[in-house]
Amino acid sequence: EIVMTQSPATLSVSPGERATLSCRASQSVTSNLAWYQQKPGQAPRLLIYGASTRATGIPARFSGSESGTEFTLTISSLQSEDFAVYYCQQYNAWPRTFGQGTKVEIK
Amino acid sequence: EVQLVESGGGLVQPGGSLRLSCAASGFTFSNYAMHWVRQAPGKGLEYVSAISNNGANTYYADSVKGRFTISRDNSKNTLSLQMGSLRGEDMAVYYCARQEQLAYDCWGQGTLVTVSS
Repeated sequence: EIVMTQSPATLSVSPGERATLSCRASQSVTSNLAWYQQKPGQAPRLLIYGASTRATGIPARFSGSESGTEFTLTISSLQSEDFAVYYCQQYNAWPRTFGQGTKVEIK
Repeated sequence: EVQLVESGGGLVQPGGSLRLSCAASGFTFSNYAMHWVRQAPGKGLEYVSAISNNGANTYYADSVKGRFTISRDNSKNTLSLQMGSLRGEDMAVYYCARQEQLAYDCWGQGTLVTVSS
């Protein structure tokens, strides 16, 4: 099973600042990685797939990148609606696996 | 509008069974593979099971293999998850999700399964 490790567990950021979230895969997942956003009491929402392609309707302030088995989600200028938990997921191999999540909170 | 609506959750005793359903609308259901993902209270997301668009192929997490069965009825636009031999660690909100470009582009609102005596 591919283990996805996210860091940090919690990120405290002020509105308008940049947020950088990391996700590391225990082995190669090529570019088969997605990022999801989840707010309290809601279902997850797809933000990024293919490591760097924004899903439909996702603002341009969200971007994804990759370097080997290291993946990064960047939120260029945090808006109030962006405070949430973010999960990465690999879909290169079965079983699909998620990271443990990064909570982005207001500083 | 693309929509997924889960139902069937509730309270069940350890060792019991429960059947979850997911009603799909707003898209051609038979074109898409579908998945179940769960989230224990206060915890992260966990993949549970998947089924190909025509139902020919199914996949299960090791934690549920042999106890859960995924199925679909493309004539009724419905995805199901039959859960048996339920344990405390199966207690979670269960989401159905549509697979697009291999990621999950649409999720239901979830249904809560509580396992307790």
